[in-house]
Amino acid sequence: GAVVSQHPSWVICKSGTSVKIECRSLDFQATTMFWYRQFPKQSLMLMATSNEGSKATYEQGVEKDKFLINHASLTLSTLTVTSAHPEDSSFYICSARSPRLAGIWAPDTQYFGPGTRLTVL
Amino acid sequence: DAKTTQPPSMDCAEGRAANLPCNHSTISGNEYVYWYRQIHSQGPQYIIHGLKNNETNEMASLIITEDRKSSTLILPHATLRDTAVYYCIVRVEYSGNTPLVFGKGTRLSVIA
Repeated sequence: GAVVSQHPSWVICKSGTSVKIECRSLDFQATTMFWYRQFPKQSLMLMATSNEGSKATYEQGVEKDKFLINHASLTLSTLTVTSAHPEDSSFYICSARSPRLAGIWAPDTQYFGPGTRLTVL
Repeated sequence: DAKTTQPPSMDCAEGRAANLPCNHSTISGNEYVYWYRQIHSQGPQYIIHGLKNNETNEMASLIITEDRKSSTLILPHATLRDTAVYYCIVRVEYSGNTPLVFGKGTRLSVIA
């Protein structure tokens, strides 16, 4: 249980284009999802917290107009990198918290997607 | 959330037990110790968590000292597939929308 998927797993795009990354909770409903970014040989850095039906909360230093987050349903959150540049190349990972009621079969904690490798040329 | 300290790297022979330490001397009474691991180019994977009693599941065992200032994650029979970065995180359980904050972790290399 508590499976999170991401699509695509990798993407290569040209500078100036936009890229959308999807994050889905497959067997549970997630009112809250989180987006992280990880540069080579570094740890995960939280970008934003996404709540279903409301605006995302961004961490300091993360441009909300560049990284658009939409959490339209309890099982889907999307991250759109707008006007991507080479410095946006990174490993993007989403995470969802399993609801407390699911503690019967899975601990109440965050579960992570497999990540999306973005390369901007 | 309390801060944790982990060694940057460790080696372990395949088939032997891997013991990964974590110091969390400022842990509060209601904070749990969580362990995650991240295999190269994958998302982090939940391993185990505990408050003060030792915990065991199909993946690992978690030993927490009586004063709760440190803990050890034990992989009883390490395999090459256990090579990963292991993160020890201290936080309150059921803490609403508070996200996990990752430190640098311990890079475990399992050697054949």
